Amino acid sequence: GNSVTQMEGPVTLSEEAFLTINCTYTATGYPSLFWYVQYPGEGLQLLLKATKADDKGSNKGFEATYRKETTSFHLEKGSVQVSDSAVYFCALTPGQNFVFGPGTRLSVLP
Amino acid sequence: EADIYQTPRYLVIGTGKKITLECSQTMGHDKMYWYQQDPGMELHLIHYSYGVNSTEKGDLSSESTVSRIRTEHFPLTLESARPSHTSQYLCASSVPWGEQYFGPGTRLTVT
Repeated sequence: GNSVTQMEGPVTLSEEAFLTINCTYTATGYPSLFWYVQYPGEGLQLLLKATKADDKGSNKGFEATYRKETTSFHLEKGSVQVSDSAVYFCALTPGQNFVFGPGTRLSVLP
Repeated sequence: EADIYQTPRYLVIGTGKKITLECSQTMGHDKMYWYQQDPGMELHLIHYSYGVNSTEKGDLSSESTVSRIRTEHFPLTLESARPSHTSQYLCASSVPWGEQYFGPGTRLTVT
């Protein structure tokens, strides 16, 4: 079946630190891959996406590359800010419905 | 910019009451979804719809029901609320093979 695995949180970083949140997936066919962000008290917002192998999605300083050979889509940011504190979800869609990872909580300290 | 709305944002209600959580989108998307999000953050799909007059149960068993009479509207109803229904409910919509767009959520507390 289809599944998404994310690194367990919480992740706590100091401001300006480098961020990596690991995401690996299992899927049939060629899914599209996504990262969503959820700020406190809000719904999920699309952060970035990639629709085929070797695509790099990027937005607001975040980026992730669709790696088919390692079935991974790791989220990275070079320098995090306090305002990046949120929960991050990796997700895929093989076509019909979405499969979300369990979420990783990020806390950035000033 | 995606436009998907949920009302109410917060609801506190007593056990046994009937409630309807509203969800509307203005993007003309055929596919719509309801998720329950527990305090541990994980999302659980409870209902989805592929279009008007189409409704399906999701992965998580739920005592709620949904309807899809109009493309833009996908309400969720609990006939008799219980404390175990206390949770965050998120509505989403999408186009086929595309990303999902989420509403702001309804935080339900049943006392």
